[in-house]
Amino acid sequence: AQSVAQPEDQVNVAEGNPLTVKCTYSVSGNPYLFWYVQYPNRGLQFLLKYITGDNLVKGSYGFEAEFNKSQTSFHLKKPSALVSDSALYFCAVSNIQGGKLIFGQGTELSVKP
Amino acid sequence: NAGVTQTPKFRVLKTGQSMTLLCAQDMNHEYMYWYRQDPGMGLRLIHYSVGEGTTAKGEVPDGYNVSRLKKQNFLLGLESAAPSQTSVYFCASSYYSGRGHEQYFGPGTRLTVT
Repeated sequence: AQSVAQPEDQVNVAEGNPLTVKCTYSVSGNPYLFWYVQYPNRGLQFLLKYITGDNLVKGSYGFEAEFNKSQTSFHLKKPSALVSDSALYFCAVSNIQGGKLIFGQGTELSVKP
Repeated sequence: NAGVTQTPKFRVLKTGQSMTLLCAQDMNHEYMYWYRQDPGMGLRLIHYSVGEGTTAKGEVPDGYNVSRLKKQNFLLGLESAAPSQTSVYFCASSYYSGRGHEQYFGPGTRLTVT
């Protein structure tokens, strides 16, 4: 069975510092991995995805994520956090057979000035 | 190009009442999905559809029904609402590009069942 874990309910970062939001996954076969962001009272917005290829994936708003097959992780990173990055972040996984996504429980990112 | 739209945005129901949530997409996507979002639980898939006229159960289908009579619309029905169905409901659509699916989400419907 597929599953996603986001071990931190909340991450607090000072503006200008690097940020990491953690995600680990379990899936049979090759994983398709995604990060989505949700701003208050809005739907989810796509940030980036890993299908195959380079383990470092670059996405929207300066975010990137590193795929690590041996650790089954797909951590979201940004070199310099902005206050406007404060939001709820979701990691998700699907397998190659279909588009169904399994989501993690979400991590609330708070960036303080 | 409106993307994915959901109707209504908010609704309050009494226990036992029924309602239908409408999702519409104008991107000609084959796949459509209904999720519910509850605090601390992420999004959970209720039902999904891989094409017009088809539907399938997701993780938490009990108490819900769906229909996909037209490619652009995906309806979610609650026949007899219960307080446990208080949630925020999101619709999404996607297509398979050969590099996986990328789901596009609607703005959500906040449902309260009293």
